[in-house]
Amino acid sequence: EAGVVQSPRYKIIEKKQPVAFWCNPISGHNTLYWYRQNLGQGPELLIRYENEEAVDDSQLPKDRFSAERLKGVDSTLKIQPAELGDSAVYLCASKRLAGGSYEQYFGPGTRLTVT
Amino acid sequence: SQQGEEDPQALSIQEGENATMNCSYKTSINNLQWYRQNSGRGLVHLILIRSNEREKHSGRLRVTLDTSKKSSSLLITASRAADTASYFCATEVFGGATNKLIFGTGTLLAVQP
Repeated sequence: EAGVVQSPRYKIIEKKQPVAFWCNPISGHNTLYWYRQNLGQGPELLIRYENEEAVDDSQLPKDRFSAERLKGVDSTLKIQPAELGDSAVYLCASKRLAGGSYEQYFGPGTRLTVT
Repeated sequence: SQQGEEDPQALSIQEGENATMNCSYKTSINNLQWYRQNSGRGLVHLILIRSNEREKHSGRLRVTLDTSKKSSSLLITASRAADTASYFCATEVFGGATNKLIFGTGTLLAVQP
């Protein structure tokens, strides 16, 4: 089966510009996650979706970050405006079911550089 | 915020040797997972151990979990150069809206050929 797809793989923008990341999870996976990974650190959750509902966005900086998952499949994460501190790798992951001990499948990530 | 801390932060061994990485965490968990990350394949799930399990094996991997000490270890036997990567432990806690996977800071493993 195809894995989690993310695009773009790399993005370089100037500060104060907007940027958007796209994720297509594994077919049939109801749960979708966006993580941010800073250099030398583990991923940190930004938002979790169950189908099209954002059930945990407590760590999403809502003043500049937004996300959507229309029709409960693809998802986009947007930053507007970007700041220098937003430089990181943004990872998307999906999981078959919300509950239960199942692994998460990660996409390759989008490496964002804000100059 | 990171829940887990891996130890050591970096580890360098020769091919064929065993590698042991440790993880400590802070709160009660439902399961603990280990992931590997390298530039070629991104973040890949290795093994999951539930809170009521104490040891689990998968190929050359052996994971232990001690919930009383809130710690886990990952043993890679007969290491290969291809095992060179960063290894992360991640704890999962179920709790409705707070169901989340929390990653540690990672161990960077270098296997010298």
